[in-house]
Amino acid sequence: QSALTQPASVSGSPGQSITISCTGTSSDVGGYNSVSWYQQHPGKAPKLIIYDVSIRPSGVSSRFSGSKSGNTASLTISGLQGEDEADYYCSSYTSTPNWVFGGGTKLTVL
Amino acid sequence: QVQLVESGGGVVQPGGSLRFSCAASGFSFSNFGMHWVRQAPGKGLEWVAFIRYDGSNKYYGDSVKGRFAISRDNSKNTLYLQMNSLRPEDTAVYYCAKSSGTTVYYYMDVWGKGTTVTVSS
Repeated sequence: QSALTQPASVSGSPGQSITISCTGTSSDVGGYNSVSWYQQHPGKAPKLIIYDVSIRPSGVSSRFSGSKSGNTASLTISGLQGEDEADYYCSSYTSTPNWVFGGGTKLTVL
Repeated sequence: QVQLVESGGGVVQPGGSLRFSCAASGFSFSNFGMHWVRQAPGKGLEWVAFIRYDGSNKYYGDSVKGRFAISRDNSKNTLYLQMNSLRPEDTAVYYCAKSSGTTVYYYMDVWGKGTTVTVSS
């Protein structure tokens, strides 16, 4: 199972919005709505920020939003803040069945 | 409060074995599937294995199939990962993660802090 494709890095200034893409195939992202996103700060465990493509868990800021079109899912962070600087991973259920992660995207807040 | 605490990490020689444990608390452990996910130093997340809430179905990533075995003891609220024939590329932080549901379809909603294995001679 190949990893989902994410940009290695993105950056933005405080207050701006950024979008991270996550591209898979019809056997994973495109075939199921079980796409989730995780935020990971250095030395910490991943934290769930989006599940089922676009649903935010309780306690996660509304500045985080998710969407999907075809085989590509996207995470948008609006009103960037310094605390958003972290690594972000998408993941998807697959037809195998198993789970696959994206390679991760490092977000830098300028 | 849901809590997952991994243990069992260490240094092991190539070809060796190790068993991780993950102690769960704060939720009804026997009602949820559980995952193991790993992260090699400086690398991304890699899904390793899943076990159904009742232990009846298990699934593995291609890189560990045939070498690793996931299991659980619902009477002890504990998840396990038995790792055999270890290779240097298995060096990673291993996280246990609670599934949001009973089967492999459901996402990982809560993660432990991880335990580390280093495979080196």
